[in-house]
Amino acid sequence: KAGVTQTPRYLIKTRGQQVTLSCSPISGHRSVSWYQQTPGQGLQFLFEYFSETQRNKGNFPGRFSGRQFSNSRSEMNVSTLELGDSALYLCASSRMASGYNEQFFGPGTRLTVL
Amino acid sequence: SQQGEEDPQALSIQEGENATMNCSYKTSINNLQWYRQNSGRGLVHLILIRSNEREKHSGRLRVTLDTSKKSSSLLITASRAADTASYFCATVTLTGANSKLTFGKGITLSVRP
Repeated sequence: KAGVTQTPRYLIKTRGQQVTLSCSPISGHRSVSWYQQTPGQGLQFLFEYFSETQRNKGNFPGRFSGRQFSNSRSEMNVSTLELGDSALYLCASSRMASGYNEQFFGPGTRLTVL
Repeated sequence: SQQGEEDPQALSIQEGENATMNCSYKTSINNLQWYRQNSGRGLVHLILIRSNEREKHSGRLRVTLDTSKKSSSLLITASRAADTASYFCATVTLTGANSKLTFGKGITLSVRP
């Protein structure tokens, strides 16, 4: 069974630009969660989508948004990038809503904002 | 905000020794999970322990949960160099119909060959 895939793996953007990251969950998984990981703040929960609906949201500004498609693939978008958005963005999928069972993580997208 | 706090922040041991990592949390949880992350890569799920369980085993891993003390420990027995990684505990809380997974800042484990 293929694992969680994330594209692109690396991205360099400049301040003010916007970016879209993609996540393909394991086949049959309906929940996709997104996390931001930085050395200073650690792993911070961004949001979770389950069956195309946002189920939960972390404490991030409205510049961070996401969506999930009918095939469970998910995208997250960050508009008006700031230097502090440089981070490793991880997505995770699970069969049921996150928290009730294990999550399977993708390798992450490393975003650098210059 | 960090619900789970791991202790110690860093641990260095010799191959073959046991490694014990602790996690404390503040509010009631539905379950607690441990994950491993190799340098700059995705996390790998190790074990999930529910709030009504006290101990679970998986291979060389042993996890305990003490809900009265709001703490959990992860024991890796007979450590190997390949166990070198960061380890995170994640607590799961329920708010209505929603569940939320909150990660701690992690423990860096170095196993010297």
